[in-house]
Amino acid sequence: SYELTQPPSVSVSPGQTARITCSGDALPKQYAYWYQQKPGQAPVLVIYKDSERPSGIPERFSGSSSGTTVTLTISGVQAEDEADYYCQSADSSGTHVVFGGGTKLTVL
Amino acid sequence: EVQLVESGGGLVQPGGSLRLSCAASGFTFSSYWMHWVRQAPGKGLVWVSRINSDGSSTSYADSVKGRFTISRDNAKNTLYLQMNSLRAEDTAVYYCARDHLNAFDYWGQGTLVTVSS
Repeated sequence: SYELTQPPSVSVSPGQTARITCSGDALPKQYAYWYQQKPGQAPVLVIYKDSERPSGIPERFSGSSSGTTVTLTISGVQAEDEADYYCQSADSSGTHVVFGGGTKLTVL
Repeated sequence: EVQLVESGGGLVQPGGSLRLSCAASGFTFSSYWMHWVRQAPGKGLVWVSRINSDGSSTSYADSVKGRFTISRDNAKNTLYLQMNSLRAEDTAVYYCARDHLNAFDYWGQGTLVTVSS
């Protein structure tokens, strides 16, 4: 079955830039989406269609795509950004939705 | 305001059944595809199932295919997940989510399903 691969953890100091990658063979054909999840809360959409930002999401969140890898970038990381981040996409047929394993962002 | 409220979770024995509901409000429910996503304790998000806007098309993760059934009642603005032959590995928080152009733009707060004897 199709898989999306994320690093388990990323650590940055406040004010620095965090980059979280997500790799999958179908990513050149399918858009990627990113979600932020804080403990005890439901996920929140932070990026859609690889690089679009929903209203209400801070400008420091951005997304990009290159080949089989998509990247979530958080510029000027703040303490409140500490959370788990998940990428989501679909298999090449578009039939099945897939989530990456998640990346825990730690703000040092 | 868009709201999704799940209910129906609880403790069930292995092999048992449970039906989850997701009550939607604040938007035209019948216009949107909907999904169920689950999260085992301490683990990541896993997509479970989706249904199109009029209920005529469904899709399932391999892990639940043949055991779970997704459905909807657009007159009642409610999404359902019928779960049969439950296993310990089905233990998770189950979220319903709205699909807007393939993005899950609104999520419920989740309902916990525990499969244990």
